[in-house]
Amino acid sequence: AQTVTQSQPEMSVQEAETVTLSCTYDTSESDYYLFWYKQPPSRQMILVIRQEAYKQQNATENRFSVNFQKAAKSFSLKISDSQLGDAAMYFCAYRAPNTGNQFYFGTGTSLTVIP
Amino acid sequence: DAGVIQSPRHEVTEMGQEVTLRCKPISGHNSLFWYRQTMMRGLELLIYFNNNVPIDDSGMPEDRFSAKMPNASFSTLKIQPSEPRDSAVYFCASSLMGGVGIQYFGAGTRLSVL
Repeated sequence: AQTVTQSQPEMSVQEAETVTLSCTYDTSESDYYLFWYKQPPSRQMILVIRQEAYKQQNATENRFSVNFQKAAKSFSLKISDSQLGDAAMYFCAYRAPNTGNQFYFGTGTSLTVIP
Repeated sequence: DAGVIQSPRHEVTEMGQEVTLRCKPISGHNSLFWYRQTMMRGLELLIYFNNNVPIDDSGMPEDRFSAKMPNASFSTLKIQPSEPRDSAVYFCASSLMGGVGIQYFGAGTRLSVL
């Protein structure tokens, strides 16, 4: 069974600094997708960034980037120039095409941004 | 597009009452998911539908929970009878089958069972 592990329940970062959130996953598939979702206090789940496993290049969305290490089954999220609005719970998620559309979510990392 | 629409946003009910949560997926999406989020258990997938057909309901906690998708634009999650341990935030999400399959979430329904 696919599992997604986020080993950091809580993280904090100083405003304007960089922080990296960790995620590892377990799969025997070669083709799959990985995602980071953000859940601010409003509780709305928002897609931050995605990565296709067949792409070697790490995905980037403005201040958000990932470090995708396929062999190590690692998918970390880097937030640069952290802003107060980045404070949220961050969830890592995995999806394999041949297991339907089901996502497997990690347990989340709560990020605090210190002014 | 208005996104995934869930109603109500908040529901407070008494133990033993029937609760119905509603979801309207994004137009054109053909997969729909119901999740439950609690502090203790995190985000749990309850059930999902492809083309209005339930595919996997193994996450439904017990027979008190049921979900339907009578058409492509509407789904319900019903709890009957409700219990205090059902108190949680319930999310609906929709996606397109195939491809990346990004899931788009509604704002959630916060359910409190007294």
